[in-house]
Amino acid sequence: DAGVTQTPRHEVAEKGQTIILKCEPVSGHNDLFWYRQTKIQGLELLSYFRSKSLMEDGGAFKDRFKAEMLNSSFSTLKIQPTEPKDSAVYLCASSYGTGENTLYFGAGTRLSVL
Amino acid sequence: QQKVQQSPESLIVPEGAMTSLNCTFSDSASQYFAWYRQHSGKAPKALMSIFSNGEKEEGRFTIHLNKASLHFSLHIRDSQPSDSALYLCAVSSANSGTYQRFGTGTKLQVVP
Repeated sequence: DAGVTQTPRHEVAEKGQTIILKCEPVSGHNDLFWYRQTKIQGLELLSYFRSKSLMEDGGAFKDRFKAEMLNSSFSTLKIQPTEPKDSAVYLCASSYGTGENTLYFGAGTRLSVL
Repeated sequence: QQKVQQSPESLIVPEGAMTSLNCTFSDSASQYFAWYRQHSGKAPKALMSIFSNGEKEEGRFTIHLNKASLHFSLHIRDSQPSDSALYLCAVSSANSGTYQRFGTGTKLQVVP
């Protein structure tokens, strides 16, 4: 079975650029999550979708971060405009949802903003 | 808002030792408790989870939950160098959104 696929694995952006990260969840999973991982803050939720509907949008990340789920097998995270403080690993995860909470993570996209 | 904290931040243990990792949470209505392991440069991977008070053992790993003290732990028996990784605890609660909130992790190094 294919796991969660994230592309690209690495991204380097100039300050002010727009970048789009991509995620393909495990087939059949209903829930999709975007997390940001840094050493200091750990994993912070950016967005949470259930059956393609946005359930949580991560509060503090609303203004420059926008996640979309175009269909049940593909999601994007747009950061616009990027800032140096956005440098982090962006993780996508999926799960079956209610009653089965185990998260399956992708390998992540490491973003560096110069 | 749910707060999830882990201790210690880092730990070095000799091969064969018992390792104990701790996680505290703030929402007493929390319902789901999990541990994930992340090897360097890799995706976090689920290790174990528990819903109700008590213990659960799977191989060398045991998870212990005490909801009254807002605490759960992971114990690794006969620690191996391959157990060296970042260990993340996660908690979810209907009061705080149903998504899992994570601690910042404990970095474990098992030395031969």
